[in-house]
Amino acid sequence: ETGVTQTPRHLVMGMTNKKSLKCEQHLGHNAMYWYKQSAKKPLELMFVYSLEERVENNSVPSRFSPECPNSSHLFLHLHTLQPEDSALYLCASSQISGSGAYNEQFFGPGTRLTVL
Amino acid sequence: AQKVTQAQTEISVVEKEDVTLDCVYETRDTTYYLFWYKQPPSGELVFLIRRNSFDEQNEISGRYSWNFQKSTSSFNFTITASQVVDSAVYFCALSDYYIRYQLIWGAGTKLIIKP
Repeated sequence: ETGVTQTPRHLVMGMTNKKSLKCEQHLGHNAMYWYKQSAKKPLELMFVYSLEERVENNSVPSRFSPECPNSSHLFLHLHTLQPEDSALYLCASSQISGSGAYNEQFFGPGTRLTVL
Repeated sequence: AQKVTQAQTEISVVEKEDVTLDCVYETRDTTYYLFWYKQPPSGELVFLIRRNSFDEQNEISGRYSWNFQKSTSSFNFTITASQVVDSAVYFCALSDYYIRYQLIWGAGTKLIIKP
């Protein structure tokens, strides 16, 4: 595997289900991100894990719960979602250097989530 | 506060035409980075270019070129001799010291290339 992979690619779930999205990066990066992309809306950063620190967008509901067990893996745990949570969920990774250079993020193919 | 504006929501051109996608940014920082990404219908965001604020030289990569103008806070993207495969949504993004490794994204421009 190369780059950033995400599974599953498509997910349909009911509002009472619990599911998890998985992301794995094979680039040796030290930061990982979850984004939400809804139709007709800007890309929304949900969570960042960098250098063992977690940064979150305060507007993200608690029904989304991230987990980052190591620098290569990132999960997004979903529970009691709403239909408006249907969107494309994108994972990304980047390398944060000590020099302060802000490097590009590399994205996975995304998980298309539909909440019924 | 940081902001990225892509005023063109959708552009439609005929194949082989040249097309320019506009990006205007706002930041208080003197050190910042600008990015362009392409999102084809498959959904994956593909990195195209990164430019730092100290390098105002224009960049050319094949049919793609980027014009960085600090005086107008713009970082425009031109595709020369467009092809149907260029059809995608293109995003401009900004990162600076205050937001560090995060990106501020524009709303994207949907580019349609007709055969």
